[in-house]
Amino acid sequence: DSGVTQTPKHLITATGQRVTLRCSPRSGDLSVYWYQQSLDQGLQFLIQYYNGEERAKGNILERFSAQQFPDLHSELNLSSLELGDSALYFCASSGGQEVGELFFGEGSRLTVL
Amino acid sequence: AQSVTQPDIHITVSEGASLELRCNYSYGATPYLFWYVQSPGQGLQLLLKYFSGDTLVQGIKGFEAEFKRSQSSFNLRKPSVHWSDAAEYFCAVRGNNAGNMLTFGGGTRLMVKP
Repeated sequence: DSGVTQTPKHLITATGQRVTLRCSPRSGDLSVYWYQQSLDQGLQFLIQYYNGEERAKGNILERFSAQQFPDLHSELNLSSLELGDSALYFCASSGGQEVGELFFGEGSRLTVL
Repeated sequence: AQSVTQPDIHITVSEGASLELRCNYSYGATPYLFWYVQSPGQGLQLLLKYFSGDTLVQGIKGFEAEFKRSQSSFNLRKPSVHWSDAAEYFCAVRGNNAGNMLTFGGGTRLMVKP
């Protein structure tokens, strides 16, 4: 158990819809990262937050957005969903060290029909 | 920009045989290197990491990896594979600048024959 909690574990929705994925980091971790894992793209970094502020942005679509709240949990919002957005979305957290290891949740599997 | 290449997409070994998974990275300075394992339906678990110091690092589950700067490699090894080691293995690199994300290789799927 990494200590990172993601909900929901599975989600099925239709094209054009909007979903929100939630992540609770390990206790005391200030950084949260979102990754997308798909068969054709592998593990892609989406975005990082540190103590409520956006720290780094990767291959995140404009239809996607995220935020980190004062209690440090984070949400990833995916809108105008397309079939190609079907993937496993991972949240990870790390502590105060700038280059420490990342601890991953078990992921949220999104299926867009 | 940093990048990671795992040349082998699939590897099959017999139980009890030795294992080496290859990883090559690209990064302008000394990188921070990681190996993660993902079992089916599970998240990513850290096997080991290299930050500095001894270039041979030991990890969990009997795994080790060796950092070779001259070859830009960080290969993962295990002397004797167990059936429970069947999983997907990811090598990752992270720069030492604030905000640098973890960049993953494409992964190597390990199958273990009885």
